[in-house]
Amino acid sequence: AQSVTQLDSHVSVSEGTPVLLRCNYSSSYSPSLFWYVQHPNKGLQLLLKYTSAATLVKGINGFEAEFKKSETSFHLTKPSAHMSDAAEYFCVVSHGSSNTGKLIFGQGTTLQVKP
Amino acid sequence: DTGVSQDPRHKITKRGQNVTFRCDPISEHNRLYWYRQTLGQGPEFLTYFQNEAQLEKSRLLSDRFSAERPKGSFSTLEIQRTEQGDSAMYLCASSLAGGLDADTQYFGPGTRLTVL
Repeated sequence: AQSVTQLDSHVSVSEGTPVLLRCNYSSSYSPSLFWYVQHPNKGLQLLLKYTSAATLVKGINGFEAEFKKSETSFHLTKPSAHMSDAAEYFCVVSHGSSNTGKLIFGQGTTLQVKP
Repeated sequence: DTGVSQDPRHKITKRGQNVTFRCDPISEHNRLYWYRQTLGQGPEFLTYFQNEAQLEKSRLLSDRFSAERPKGSFSTLEIQRTEQGDSAMYLCASSLAGGLDADTQYFGPGTRLTVL
C-alpha cells in the first residue's frame, strides 16, 4: 500500500528566509511523487513532479524537491519565502502510468509567511 | 486549453435532497478522477474513468453516490439522499494516459457542497 506523511501540519517562516516542508512516503512500487499547492478558494496547482529521472526536481515559483530513496523522503524547499507563498501544500504519491494513476495525498502543511 | 472546469462552484442543499455536479476535463484528456476534500484534510480518491469506462471506485463511494462519463468527455457525480457528512469540496481532475505528462493530474476549482 502507498501512503504519504507530511511531518508538519503548520510551518511559519519570515519573508526572505528559507522554506522546508517535509514529506516521507511509503510505496511498494517505484513511485511518482508530486507537490501541489492550494491557495484559499483556489484549485490545486502542480508545483513539481518526480518520475525517476533526476532526483532533484525544480518546480514553479522557485520551489524544488529532492527524492531520497534511502530516506523515503521528498522534502520541498525554497531559498527565500515570499508573502504570496502562504498556502496549503500537499505531498502526493502515485503508482505510475501503468496503473490507474490515482493520487494519494498527505494531510497537508499550512505555510505561513510573516512580513 | 481552458483547463478543468466544474459546475456549480457552490451548492447548498437540505438533508435528503439529491445533488448533481458536473466536470469538464481538458479536452484531449482521456482519464478523469473525482476526489473529496473535507476541511483540514487532503483530497481522497473517489473514482476514476478512462474514456467512458469507470475502472475504479473507492470504498468511500457509498451506494448513494454514482458517477458517469457517458461519452468519454464530461462527467457527472450524483449524490442521492444527501447527509450532513457529505458536506465537502468535490474535486475533479483529468490527465492523459501515456506520454511524457502521464500521471500529471490537472485539477478543477472544485464544487463546495454544504448539506444543512
